[in-house]
Amino acid sequence: QTGLTQPPSVSKGLGQTATITCTGKSSNVGNQGAVWLQQIRGHPPKLLSGRNNGRPSGISERFSASRSGNTASLTIADLQPEDEADYYCSAWDSSLWAHVFGTGTRVTVL
Amino acid sequence: EVQLLESGGGLAQPGGSLRLSCAASGFTFNNFGMSWVRQTPGKGLEWVSLINAGGDTFYADSGKGRFSISRDNSKNTLSLQLNSLRVDDTAVYYCVGGPDGLAYWGRGTLVTVSS
Repeated sequence: QTGLTQPPSVSKGLGQTATITCTGKSSNVGNQGAVWLQQIRGHPPKLLSGRNNGRPSGISERFSASRSGNTASLTIADLQPEDEADYYCSAWDSSLWAHVFGTGTRVTVL
Repeated sequence: EVQLLESGGGLAQPGGSLRLSCAASGFTFNNFGMSWVRQTPGKGLEWVSLINAGGDTFYADSGKGRFSISRDNSKNTLSLQLNSLRVDDTAVYYCVGGPDGLAYWGRGTLVTVSS
């Protein structure tokens, strides 16, 4: 299965805003929407945003998601040291009948 | 509190088999599709298999014909039978499910395939 494309890394200063993109196809991101996950080193992934771009309970308002066509985006406002992590997008692909994951983006807070 | 607790990982020889299990609690298990997702240390996430609430099963190409997913709603458990294991199946296997399919994650169980 082919994956979703993300930038390998994003580096921003403390308090700045980082945006991560996730590019897929009409059969996955464009049709089904994408979820966003955060994985801090040594821990399992955690859901940040659902397919409807809603945040689960307990997720900071600094995290916001959106979608335009086949590209989903995650924006992290007011970057904090605890935001340093790997971020993944994922979507169900209705042609492949499979979940596809993004390649992952490492966020570094300078 | 939602909990997903995997077990069954370990060392297997190439061509061997393992059976992974996941005990779920804290949510209405039978309402949601459940997946297995794996991650090679230091690498990205790879979806392995899904069983939806109705019992339909789906597999990544890498596991078709070798892996088998099942669920027991009476016991709130998810299983993954791994057969004909290959060295490149070595990974941490996560039990995943809930809303949006990926809301709840276990801590994972390590499968090592080596001779």
